[in-house]
Amino acid sequence: QVQLVESGGGVVQPGGSLRLSCTASGFMFSHYGMHWVRQAPGKGLEWVSFILFDGTKKKDADSVRGRFTISRDNSKNTVFLQMNSLKTDDTAIYYCAKLGGMGATDDYWGQGTLVTVSS
Amino acid sequence: QSALTQPRSVSGSPGQSVTISCTGTSNDVGGYNYVSWYQQHPGKAPKFMIYDVSKRPSGVPDRFSGSKSGNTASLTISGLQADDEADYYCCSYAGSYYVFGTGTKVTVL
Repeated sequence: QVQLVESGGGVVQPGGSLRLSCTASGFMFSHYGMHWVRQAPGKGLEWVSFILFDGTKKKDADSVRGRFTISRDNSKNTVFLQMNSLKTDDTAIYYCAKLGGMGATDDYWGQGTLVTVSS
Repeated sequence: QSALTQPRSVSGSPGQSVTISCTGTSNDVGGYNYVSWYQQHPGKAPKFMIYDVSKRPSGVPDRFSGSKSGNTASLTISGLQADDEADYYCCSYAGSYYVFGTGTKVTVL
């Protein structure tokens, strides 16, 4: 049974930092690229970051580039999102996901972790 | 990296069909046959409904179909059912990034 479990969310002041973790089980984590997708309260989905299966390639949304860093530890089946210089606009549920598409039929999402940036 | 444009809402009666459009540019929707569609019920994670423009993952009813023309992709739901009432998002690969649509609320009257 596939599971993606996020952790690390919480309340942080503007300008602060948080590190999100997502631990995977039930599939060959080290074979797949992983994404972070966020959803502000009452708003739509926003793609945040992607990391290739071996960590050699990363992509970020313009809105977080230079502030957020995605990384992974395949020995621990875990993907991370280091979030620095947080802004109130970063308040959202953060999902880690293995997105389907490009021929891949398997698509997995975690339950999400809430990040609130507020003074 | 602008969000793809979707209508804010569409509605239909049970048994009817509705179509949701997803308009991007030649850099995303028009440039790649990698458009996916997701269904999201309140408080739940998104569910994968269509991938690569028109393919259905196993378990998704054939009432759901996808297509693309130029810079616009579409999701059609035929034989609308009560449980189809949800938010729907398109998602496109764009080379150096991915982009989601603005989201469409489907209401079953």
